[in-house]
Amino acid sequence: DVKVTQSSRYLVKRTGEKVFLECVQDMDHENMFWYRQDPGLGLRLIYFSYDVKMKEKGDIPEGYSVSREKKERFSLILESASTNQTSMYLCASSRIWALGADSTDTQYFGPGTRLTVL
Amino acid sequence: AQKITQTQPGMFVQEKEAVTLDCTYDTSDQSYGLFWYKQPSSGEMIFLIYQGSYDEQNATEGRYSLNFQKARKSANLVISASQLGDSAMYFCAMREMRSQGNLIFGKGTKLSVKP
Repeated sequence: DVKVTQSSRYLVKRTGEKVFLECVQDMDHENMFWYRQDPGLGLRLIYFSYDVKMKEKGDIPEGYSVSREKKERFSLILESASTNQTSMYLCASSRIWALGADSTDTQYFGPGTRLTVL
Repeated sequence: AQKITQTQPGMFVQEKEAVTLDCTYDTSDQSYGLFWYKQPSSGEMIFLIYQGSYDEQNATEGRYSLNFQKARKSANLVISASQLGDSAMYFCAMREMRSQGNLIFGKGTKLSVKP
């Protein structure tokens, strides 16, 4: 089974702190993703990466950065946390998408990190 | 314009009955994929079912089936014989080539199964 793990299930930080959210997958997937989920808004893509040291902005990258030094690990960084970044953060991984949009390859998700910024 | 529309923020269904969760999508791509995910209160997103744009038959996975109507651009999820454990958020998602293959999610439907 694909396994995607996230470093914390719950996290409480203070405004202005630097926050690291870690994600590790064990299926040798090329693609990794970070989403945030807010009630009524669904999942919104923050950043994604299709290879080591590669990153692409998603729909809402402002206030975030990412790092992918190893294939299995994708980190989300909040340089200076703010209260409006209180949210559920979900990491996902998948095989390379270039096989075609109608490929059956799906994204596999981690358990999520519920971040509260005070 | 929204790419994925789920018009039912919340739904109730009686245990053992069938329920349909609506999803409409908007794309001009010829090749695309449609996905449904379940998110229980624990938070993890669980992949349920997939439908490719070229698939002529509706996808089925156990008690889940996808009612794919291409001309209407709808991809409704049907859950047969609902169980209490089906209570969760359900998300419809689409993958297009133009979005670099990333998934675009709807806002979700919260399903509550009554005993």
